[in-house]
Amino acid sequence: DAGVIQSPRHEVTEMGQEVTLRCKPISGHNSLFWYRQTMMRGLELLIYFNNNVPIDDSGMPEDRFSAKMPNASFSTLKIQPSEPRDSAVYFCASSLRGWGTGELFFGEGSRLTVL
Amino acid sequence: KNEVEQSPQNLTAQEGEFITINCSYSVGISALHWLQQHPGGGIVSLFMLSSGKKKHGRLIATINIQEKHSSLHITASHPRDSAVYICAVIGNSGGSNYKLTFGKGTLLTVNP
Repeated sequence: DAGVIQSPRHEVTEMGQEVTLRCKPISGHNSLFWYRQTMMRGLELLIYFNNNVPIDDSGMPEDRFSAKMPNASFSTLKIQPSEPRDSAVYFCASSLRGWGTGELFFGEGSRLTVL
Repeated sequence: KNEVEQSPQNLTAQEGEFITINCSYSVGISALHWLQQHPGGGIVSLFMLSSGKKKHGRLIATINIQEKHSSLHITASHPRDSAVYICAVIGNSGGSNYKLTFGKGTLLTVNP
């Protein structure tokens, strides 16, 4: 298996633009996580899906952020409109079972810069 | 106070040295994870522990549940071990068995 695949790897955009980050989890994994990493705050959980259903989105910063998982092999994280403080590395991760009982596999991350 | 504390924050070693990174946590946990992140790179899960000790190659992870403490050891360190090592725990209360609490990481530099 190719592992968790994220795109784009790098994105530079201007404030106010819409940003869409994409993730393909490992086939057969039923848990998917979006994390954000910044120097100031480290790694933070944004949203957790189990069997394509959002279970916990309490980490989503505000209404500008939204995430979907239309099927078991694809998820998106959208920021609209983007702001400079959204600049961070966004990681997608998947797990075979609920995280407490399974190993977590991370993608390479999407580095977002909002000017 | 962060629920997960790592020490040291930064560690520089010479190739071949034995390295220990520590992680202390303040909550009851169901599991503890050690992660590795190379500069500018992705994150790799090294170990998941709920008790005892695990070994993979030159890496050893131990956990003492009573003392709420875990250590990551690297034997015969090599420059390619240079990375940030992150400790993360899953609390065992509140039903959030998926939510990791992360330490701030330990930056390890191994010089040749």
